Amino acid sequence: DTAVSQTPKYLVTQMGNDKSIKCEQNLGHDTMYWYKQDSKKFLKIMFSYNNKELIINETVPNRFSPKSPDKAHLNLHINSLELGDSAVYFCASSFSSGFSYEQYFGPGTRLTVT
Amino acid sequence: QKEVEQNSGPLSVPEGAIASLNCTYSDRGSQSFFWYRQYSGKSPELIMFIYSNGDKEDGRFTAQLNKASQYVSLLIRDSQPSDSATYLCAVYYGKLTFGQGTILTVHP
Repeated sequence: DTAVSQTPKYLVTQMGNDKSIKCEQNLGHDTMYWYKQDSKKFLKIMFSYNNKELIINETVPNRFSPKSPDKAHLNLHINSLELGDSAVYFCASSFSSGFSYEQYFGPGTRLTVT
Repeated sequence: QKEVEQNSGPLSVPEGAIASLNCTYSDRGSQSFFWYRQYSGKSPELIMFIYSNGDKEDGRFTAQLNKASQYVSLLIRDSQPSDSATYLCAVYYGKLTFGQGTILTVHP
């Protein structure tokens, strides 16, 4: 069974379009995240949800809107896509209590905006 | 100053050697420290975490933490070509902050 899954794996779209990426985890974690990895492979957190509540919202354009219907799912909707949005987007999940805060990543969604 | 800093490499070691990967961090309140391995085109895979000063060993991997020096390292013993990947250091203090990664190449 896949622990953290994302769909789609690849997304090619034109500037100005709106698109969504879906994420699901079956690890029983209560916290989920969205990360962006740019062309230089730098991985940066965008959002974090704990039990459906937004707890981290980094400096991200408001064209990006996360939605968490339940603690096992976290979706990312992007409006008015721009060339600079091209990147790999990773979903991750973890427990919020305890000390180690180990995060497990999904396979990634490679977004290409043309 | 970058919050989490790694030498981007590439670091090249011969098969069977010890690979040493280093990471420094700026926030003294950091609580937990992680090493992720990322193969090209794949997602980051957690290989070690440490939160107490000293060494933590898991198979061929040893993580070392020195909070006074704000330094964390990863040693890979008996390096194999399959260890060739980008190694990401990550530090937790309210959120996980990643370094830019070190590219490791193990050549036969």
